[in-house]
Amino acid sequence: AQKITQTQPGMFVQEKEAVTLDCTYDTSDQSYGLFWYKQPSSGEMIFLIYQGSYDEQNATEGRYSLNFQKARKSANLVISASQLGDSAMYFCAMREATGGFKTIFGAGTRLFVKA
Amino acid sequence: DAGITQSPRHKVTETGTPVTLRCHQTENHRYMYWYRQDPGHGLRLIHYSYGVKDTDKGEVSDGYSVSRSKTEDFLLTLESATSSQTSVYFCAISAGGREQETQYFGPGTRLLVL
Repeated sequence: AQKITQTQPGMFVQEKEAVTLDCTYDTSDQSYGLFWYKQPSSGEMIFLIYQGSYDEQNATEGRYSLNFQKARKSANLVISASQLGDSAMYFCAMREATGGFKTIFGAGTRLFVKA
Repeated sequence: DAGITQSPRHKVTETGTPVTLRCHQTENHRYMYWYRQDPGHGLRLIHYSYGVKDTDKGEVSDGYSVSRSKTEDFLLTLESATSSQTSVYFCAISAGGREQETQYFGPGTRLLVL
């Protein structure tokens, strides 16, 4: 079974608008971390934002926020005021307390920002 | 940005030859990882290290070995390259190994096995 599911292979958003990238996860651990990474066309993996399973508030980092709904096991990334430079692949990822050091990645969502 | 470099950045090799990829960090982090990225699979862990000379297997370790003789360097060796090992390889580091520790990635190495 997929542990991280990103159901949107590709998305379009108009410049300056907000966009939500979906991520659902599956774990039986009580303690886990959720991460979002950005991969532009140049190929590097850029860390964007982190949410801990015990964090009561949603994480925010500049224009990025994580809409964490623990009961629904979802960790959606919200990008506000989209910019052309936001066009990239976005990966949701999880580390579990019992996961043995590895980070589990979803298949990714490709975001296209239109001018 | 985390100080992580990978070499080479691109490599073309032939089936059956050994290949070594190098990851170098300047952050003095204890944990280092090798992942491969393939279309439709996201990133998958090959091997990781939790200290000098301390390494362990990830989920796709067959055909790969690793070594870590210094804190800053983590080597990935394809003992006899196969076409199925054509991929993009990423090194990552983290200060700790717990679930809240963020992994930071190097720029990646594109490997083509002919």
